[in-house]
Amino acid sequence: SAVISQKPSRDICQRGTSLTIQCQVDSQVTMMFWYRQQPGQSLTLIATANQGSEATYESGFVIDKFPISRPNLTFSTLTVSNMSPEDSSIYLCSVRGLYTEAFFGQGTRLTVV
Amino acid sequence: DAKTTQPPSMDCAEGRAANLPCNHSTISGNEYVYWYRQIHSQGPQYIIHGLKNNETNEMASLIITEDRKSSTLILPHATLRDTAVYYCIVRTPLGDSNYQLIWGAGTKLIIKP
Repeated sequence: SAVISQKPSRDICQRGTSLTIQCQVDSQVTMMFWYRQQPGQSLTLIATANQGSEATYESGFVIDKFPISRPNLTFSTLTVSNMSPEDSSIYLCSVRGLYTEAFFGQGTRLTVV
Repeated sequence: DAKTTQPPSMDCAEGRAANLPCNHSTISGNEYVYWYRQIHSQGPQYIIHGLKNNETNEMASLIITEDRKSSTLILPHATLRDTAVYYCIVRTPLGDSNYQLIWGAGTKLIIKP
């Protein structure tokens, strides 16, 4: 298993500002992902964080809005840019091997006011 | 779109077995069935997965029908701590030795004293 630490655990932000969420894993992992979970909803994949290259975004998500970094095999950041109230969600970091089960961080609960 | 359908909610008495059904009638031969759960305010937690055979671990048992079109997650002795949203997911392989998990709405399981 992998232990994932996400920071911050929650934040309240003003609209128009940006927030960077950090994900630290206690071991080297092949795959890292960022998910969004809107209130009362299921998980939606935002992007795959690729080590040393640009992230791979899912349909409906763009780099300008959700820039992602992954400088090494144990760390990634997701930035939510130019926030609006619609961005209020839980953002989750997930890691796994190629064919192993996925592990999740505790999530970052973001409220935009 | 999610390849699974689950009842939106279920109740179970504490100490009894909780049986959570899942339909995946369009599942392909190389797609696994995964179960995760999400306790309130936490990230999803892996429970169990299977391909064809029934599986059991320290958390639960997974019963897959012979035609693989449905499955049941069994929590043998449910406790109040098992109250959570349970997600049944089909693991879909991608062409580059990768796979994706598409999350459906899940079943909200409430364990009652």
